[in-house]
Amino acid sequence: RKEVEQDPGPFNVPEGATVAFNCTYSNSASQSFFWYRQDCRKEPKLLMSVYSSGNEDGRFTAQLNRASQYISLLIRDSKLSDSATYLCSSGSARQLTFGSGTQLTVLP
Amino acid sequence: EPEVTQTPSHQVTQMGQEVILRCVPISNHLYFYWYRQILGQKVEFLVSFYNNEISEKSEIFDDQFSVERPDGSNFTLKIRSTKLEDSAMYFCASSDDWQPQHFGDGTRLSIL
Repeated sequence: RKEVEQDPGPFNVPEGATVAFNCTYSNSASQSFFWYRQDCRKEPKLLMSVYSSGNEDGRFTAQLNRASQYISLLIRDSKLSDSATYLCSSGSARQLTFGSGTQLTVLP
Repeated sequence: EPEVTQTPSHQVTQMGQEVILRCVPISNHLYFYWYRQILGQKVEFLVSFYNNEISEKSEIFDDQFSVERPDGSNFTLKIRSTKLEDSAMYFCASSDDWQPQHFGDGTRLSIL
């Protein structure tokens, strides 16, 4: 069974804080890894792809550890607008399995 | 930026009725997907579609479900005889080969 597990949170952090989310996946054949964010009752929006070498996009850094089947997302200098649910996903390009999401609230 | 568009935004249907959800994928994408999200639960894969046929489908996608690309732009999901438990948000997504999937803003399906 293909599973993606995430800490559901909620994470409540002050503006400017650094926050890290972790995710594990069970399907060792997974080849594609992404972080999406989902605002309440909206569609998942792609945040970033995750590569084995690690990758950064502004305040966001994603890491993949294939040996441990573990994905992480680090958000630095968090903004109020970062408040959302962050979905970890893994699979092939043809079928993604999503975690339940980690809820983040950034407080003023 | 190109978008995946879905219609209707909200569909209310009596149990046992057929429903068709519509999607217009991003124009140069070749891979199309349907996902659903029951309120408060995770996003679940239903089906992927490429080259006019189903590539993969989940155990949720049983005989009550079908997909079609009736013309060059639309991609539809049909539920033949709806059940109460089919109530959910249904998201269409599309992608280019091995690229991330881009989601439409969803159709909320309410079965009465």
